[in-house]
Amino acid sequence: DIQMTQSPSSLSASVGDRITITCRASQDIGNYLNWYQQKPGKAPNLLIYATSSLQSGVPSRFSGSGFATYFVLTISGLQPEDFATYYCQQSFSTPRTFGQGTKLEIK
Amino acid sequence: QITLKESGPTLVKPTQTLTLTCNVSGFSLSTRGAGVGWIRQPPGKALEWLALVYWDDDEHYSPSLESRLTITKDTSKNQVVLTLTNFDPVDTGTYYCALAYTLGSYLKRGWFDPWGQGTQVTVSS
Repeated sequence: DIQMTQSPSSLSASVGDRITITCRASQDIGNYLNWYQQKPGKAPNLLIYATSSLQSGVPSRFSGSGFATYFVLTISGLQPEDFATYYCQQSFSTPRTFGQGTKLEIK
Repeated sequence: QITLKESGPTLVKPTQTLTLTCNVSGFSLSTRGAGVGWIRQPPGKALEWLALVYWDDDEHYSPSLESRLTITKDTSKNQVVLTLTNFDPVDTGTYYCALAYTLGSYLKRGWFDPWGQGTQVTVSS
């Protein structure tokens, strides 16, 4: 199985800040890396697919980068609605695996 | 608009079999490139992928649960059914189904979008 490790596990930030969340894969997954946002009591929502492609309707302050084993989700100019939990997920092979999540909280 | 909706029991006794149904609207599961996955989330914990079935009936399972899981696709009803045998308290959580539709170099390597709203399943004593 490919292990996905996110860091940090939690993060406190202020509205307007720029933050980054990293995701490391235990082996080369090319660009088969996706990011999801989950708010309490809601289903996850796709933000970015194939490492850097922004899903339709997602604000441009979200961006993704990386390749192989190292990936980054960046949010530039945090908005109040961005405080949520973020998950990375590899779709290179089965079993599909998710990171453990990063909880973004308001400072 | 593509929507997915999970249905099933909210309470399951230990050792019983859990059967969940994912009804898909607005998209045909017989479409080349289409897949439906099941993902669960214990209370306060991370997402855990369970199983995936594609338009061509190709099935994939989580190795840790493979002996207990079965995923089936009914194209005539446009739905996917997941069964989990020998239910245990650690199986308590929210169960989601999600569409994975991709073509080209991402065929069978796609992302999950959209997701159903999820269904809460709890062990019953």
